[in-house]
This record gives sequence, C-alpha cells and structure tokens, in this order.
Amino acid sequence: DTAVSQTPKYLVTQMGNDKSIKCEQNLGHDTMYWYKQDSKKFLKIMFSYNNKELIINETVPNRFSPKSPDKAHLNLHINSLELGDSAVYFCASSQKRGFGDTQYFGPGTRLTVL
Amino acid sequence: GQQVMQIPQYQHVQEGEDFTTYCNSSTTLSNIQWYKQRPGGHPVFLIQLVKSGEVKKQKRLTFQFGEAKKNSSLHITATQTTDVGTYFCASPSGGYQKVTFGTGTKLQVIP
Repeated sequence: DTAVSQTPKYLVTQMGNDKSIKCEQNLGHDTMYWYKQDSKKFLKIMFSYNNKELIINETVPNRFSPKSPDKAHLNLHINSLELGDSAVYFCASSQKRGFGDTQYFGPGTRLTVL
Repeated sequence: GQQVMQIPQYQHVQEGEDFTTYCNSSTTLSNIQWYKQRPGGHPVFLIQLVKSGEVKKQKRLTFQFGEAKKNSSLHITATQTTDVGTYFCASPSGGYQKVTFGTGTKLQVIP
C-alpha cells in the first residue's frame, strides 16, 4: 500500500565503498526525484526523471548516478563514498513534471559513511 | 540564483500558544507550497497557494501568500504536540522543472 517506498531505510558503510538505494512508486506518476537532506535539515534536489528521461541534474558529483529502469523506479548508485555523503536521501514522485504538482516523498534512507 | 529564506529557524512554544513561520523570496514567486516533516519522518504536502494575497485555512492552520508574491506565512492557532516538526515552504525554480525548498522552521511544542 505504500505510495513511495525506498530501500534500505538505513545504510552504514565505510568510506570508499559503493552503494545503491532503490526507490519505487505505485502511484502511476510520471516524474521521480532524488533529494538530499543534510544534518541541518536543508532539502536539496539532486535529480529528476520524467518517464525514464533525466530532466534535472543539479551540481552533484559524478560519483552519484541515478538509473530509471521504468517510470515506477528510480535508483541511486553512489561510488567511492565520502564522509560528506552522510545524509538522509529522499525519493519523491509527482504526477507530472514541473512545479505545481504535489510531491509525494518516500520514507528516506539514512546513509552514514564511516 | 533564487533563494528562499524562512524565519525563524527554530521556535519553541508552550502548548496552546500560536506559532507563525515566514517564507521570504528575493524574487516574485508564481506559487508556493508548504510541507510538514515530523521528526524522523518525510516531508508531507500541506497546501499550495497561487494567487496574490491568497489565504487558505486547514483547521488550525492558516496559510497566506503576500500581495507582491514574494513572501508567504503559515500560522498555527493554539498549537498542539501533534504540530511538532519542521515546516518547509517550497517554490518553483529552473523554469518550473523543479522545486526549491526553504530553509525550514523547526517547531517544538512544550506540553
């Protein structure tokens, strides 16, 4: 029944490792997003996909690579993890691309890099 | 680039007191959304304002959009412990392709 789901919920890993976070939405939405929320609670968009097409790619290190196998899934792969990557990562979706549509957020993945 | 500042950053209130958070933009906004994030939770959409001077109410919550569409406020009357969380405003940017979130206001309600 969960509208936007993410796995895992928690991720603890060592510096230099590669990890992936998965996101799925069952709302039939066309657009999906990845956000990063740091320890000060700032929410910043990282990527946006519309129907599997990348439409927003903010200034994010190229160690971060999103992949959308279909419009219901948007995964985030992170290479060579660094301490500064520790944050909560939220996946979100909206019915259409662009602002004006409600964004539905997943529960978040808390990433801790040691 | 567009910046959306929220004040205050933190607010502690006694249960039953009122609370207001303000969102200020350096540029005119076409519309604005408000979200609430409970501790340990994820942002949840509350409302969207579109028209200049618009006021919308949801029970004890009152949302306003400024006449110049450069600011917005969220007012909670008689706070309850269930109001605890961080409140974010959000506005369009990047040619409507994305959302820029405000810095957030963290509300603590003391029972």
